Amino acid sequence: NAGVMQNPRHLVRRRGQEARLRCSPMKGHSHVYWYRQLPEEGLKFMVYLQKENIIDESGMPKERFSAEFPKEGPSILRIQQVVRGDSAAYFCASSPEQKDNYGYTFGSGTRLTVV
Amino acid sequence: DAKTTQPTSMDCAEGRAANLPCNHSTISGNEYVYWYRQIHSQGPQYIIHGLKNNETNEMASLIITEDRKSSTLILPHATLRDTAVYYCIVRVRNTGTASKLTFGTGTRLQVTL
Repeated sequence: NAGVMQNPRHLVRRRGQEARLRCSPMKGHSHVYWYRQLPEEGLKFMVYLQKENIIDESGMPKERFSAEFPKEGPSILRIQQVVRGDSAAYFCASSPEQKDNYGYTFGSGTRLTVV
Repeated sequence: DAKTTQPTSMDCAEGRAANLPCNHSTISGNEYVYWYRQIHSQGPQYIIHGLKNNETNEMASLIITEDRKSSTLILPHATLRDTAVYYCIVRVRNTGTASKLTFGTGTRLQVTL
């Protein structure tokens, strides 16, 4: 049973380009969460999605950032027109449906570097 | 979700028990206590969680005080590989929709020879 898969592991983008980060949840998990970790800082919640629905995007920057979790395929975190301040590790986690008293499983993260 | 307070850092000798405290004095009756750790920028790893009873698994033990205002994570025989940042998180119980985990600053545990 594969864990949460994130790709790419490392992503380098020039300022102004777009970054697409992918997350495939564990089999049977329909809840996906994205977190961002700036260098030397803690994890900050960004967005919580279920299949085809955004449940909580209270941690998402209002501009340039978007997330989706389509009926088929991985969840995508998209950052348009990246800036140097977007350089961070982005972690995805998943959990089963209707089992809130269950620990998340996190992926290994995508390290985004904006040059 | 209730706020938690943890020491910034702790040291532990290899082979000894590591006891990591957490205060959550404003916890409510429907909130679980979760522990995660993050080893050197890897993805956070789930350790254990509990509601009011003490819990034990292959990784650790969780001791929750009777009033539930604090808890202690115990790593019975710490090894160098347990060096990590440990996060104590309280999270509302199942309300039909999974809710997010809110990470604080955690405790940086350094295990030494």
